[in-house]
Amino acid sequence: DVKVTQSSRYLVKRTGEKVFLECVQDMDHENMFWYRQDPGLGLRLIYFSYDVKMKEKGDIPEGYSVSREKKERFSLILESASTNQTSMYLCASSLSARFYTKNIQYFGAGTRLSVL
Amino acid sequence: SQQGEEDPQALSIQEGENATMNCSYKTSINNLQWYRQNSGRGLVHLILIRSNEREKHSGRLRVTLDTSKKSSSLLITASRAADTASYFCALLTGGFKTIFGAGTRLFVKA
Repeated sequence: DVKVTQSSRYLVKRTGEKVFLECVQDMDHENMFWYRQDPGLGLRLIYFSYDVKMKEKGDIPEGYSVSREKKERFSLILESASTNQTSMYLCASSLSARFYTKNIQYFGAGTRLSVL
Repeated sequence: SQQGEEDPQALSIQEGENATMNCSYKTSINNLQWYRQNSGRGLVHLILIRSNEREKHSGRLRVTLDTSKKSSSLLITASRAADTASYFCALLTGGFKTIFGAGTRLFVKA
């Protein structure tokens, strides 16, 4: 089974701190994604990556950056955390989104981040 | 918005009843998927239906797709308390992005 592991289930940070959320997948997937999930808004894509060192902005990239130095690891960085970034963050991976039968996404358990 | 819109937003039924959730969208799609999310957890893929398919089954799940009406439905038959979760439709419109709806919260009473 595909396993997507997020480094923390819960995080509490202070406004202005730099925050790193880590995600690792073990199935050699090409694509990795970061979403945030807020009540009533569903999942919104922050960034995605389709290859090592490649990244693309999603729908809400402002205030975030990402890093993908190795195929299995995709990091989300909050450069200066703000209270409006309090949310549930979900990481996902997929084998290849270029073939529509293979773009099933596998999700981590999520990180609930609170910024005080 | 390209986002899929689920209906109803919330659904409460008795164990053993069927649950039907609907998803409507506005753009052309390559495929449509349904995911499930237990409270406080990540999403789990349930079923994928291609744009040229009309119906798919997987166990107690039945998904239909009507591209002329730009809508899909997910039917869970003989529901169980363990089916309590949020259900999301997800659209692949092209490229790398999958667009998720806001979800339907299903509560199955034992």
